[in-house]
Amino acid sequence: AAGVIQSPRHLIKEKRETATLKCYPIPRHDTVYWYQQGPGQDPQFLISFYEKMQSDKGSIPDRFSAQQFSDYHSELNMSSLELGDSALYFCASSLAGAGNTIYFGEGSWLTVV
Amino acid sequence: KNQVEQSPQSLIILEGKNCTLQCNYTVSPFSNLRWYKQDTGRGPVSLTIMTFSENTKSNGRYTATLDADTKQSSLHITASQLSDSASYICVVVSGTYKYIFGTGTRLKVLA
Repeated sequence: AAGVIQSPRHLIKEKRETATLKCYPIPRHDTVYWYQQGPGQDPQFLISFYEKMQSDKGSIPDRFSAQQFSDYHSELNMSSLELGDSALYFCASSLAGAGNTIYFGEGSWLTVV
Repeated sequence: KNQVEQSPQSLIILEGKNCTLQCNYTVSPFSNLRWYKQDTGRGPVSLTIMTFSENTKSNGRYTATLDADTKQSSLHITASQLSDSASYICVVVSGTYKYIFGTGTRLKVLA
């Protein structure tokens, strides 16, 4: 069965550059979540979308933005990158509805140098 | 291969009943095991964090157990409420910061 696909798996950027991460949810899933995990830290919830609308917002910096497109894939855009943005970025997807299982992708590694 | 498997995949219970969710893992090295509750469309909420030496930990109506020998954990929910309807995710942390997520158990509590 298809899982949550994230791309790229690894990305290296310089400070002040911009990066875009993509997430392709499991087919027919309408909800997407983004998480950030820095080295030695717990995953932090950033933002989620349901039916292309933001459904919840966590600790997402103002320099970051995200959206969900008509085909339900999502993109996380990060601008003015800082060294502290180096982290593993997880995407997850689910069907809307109380108690539906949430499936995680394998993550995208972002290194800012 | 590091894996975290949860069962059942889904569960439906009546309000006021108890239930137990299972988590089996094959992760090495093992640092700790965490249970999260996540509502659809929302961020996760941490329920418990258990280290190798801890067998049981409670958080209100939630009680987690850990058997490090058999590599099994359970999450017991007592006197379920409608608001308990959510996805429950078992996460095993390996080494310093590698998080291995289970696929979760979706719980629906009916009135």
